Amino acid sequence: EDQVTQSPEALRLQEGESSSLNCSYTVSGLRGLFWYRQDPGKGPEFLFTLYSAGEEKEKERLKATLTKKESFLHITAPKPEDSATYLCAVQARSNYQLIWGAGTKLIIKP
Amino acid sequence: DVKVTQSSRYLVKRTGEKVFLECVQDMDHENMFWYRQDPGLGLRLIYFSYDVKMKEKGDIPEGYSVSREKKERFSLILESASTNQTSMYLCASSLGTGGYEQYFGPGTRLTVT
Repeated sequence: EDQVTQSPEALRLQEGESSSLNCSYTVSGLRGLFWYRQDPGKGPEFLFTLYSAGEEKEKERLKATLTKKESFLHITAPKPEDSATYLCAVQARSNYQLIWGAGTKLIIKP
Repeated sequence: DVKVTQSSRYLVKRTGEKVFLECVQDMDHENMFWYRQDPGLGLRLIYFSYDVKMKEKGDIPEGYSVSREKKERFSLILESASTNQTSMYLCASSLGTGGYEQYFGPGTRLTVT
């Protein structure tokens, strides 16, 4: 069965303290892996798409990487405004629907 | 930038009412989606549409229907609202289906009393 697991459920960091969020997946043939940011009461905001193992993408303090079994969202020297829930989703080659993880709630304390 | 708008940010309806949620995208995207998001359950797909007048059921279509008469507009209809349909409803659109990211609207917080 295709599934996505994100860890940890919640992460509290001090401003400037770098860390990583994990997205583990099992899917019968990966078409794409997507990262989103969601602020409370708002819709998810698209961040990155990764298509194959070894691929990396960066945006400001965020860097996403992909292996055959998991993806990491690395956050470098985070600021309080990076606080949000980060969602991961995968799309299998056999199905157009996205399979969503439960998200990681990131809190950055000043 | 892709813009997806939803007709209401907050909506309060009574049990048994017929409810219409509307979504409009301005990027000529082929595909549109309706999700609901509940604490602990994550994002769940209700319906999606890959072309005008075409629709496919998602994981939880019961109690809902959809309409797509124009490419830019996708409506979600609750035929007879029930309290278990209280939720955050999110509309999304994408350029295509294979490997394309979805862009979301701001969401509609629906409360059914």
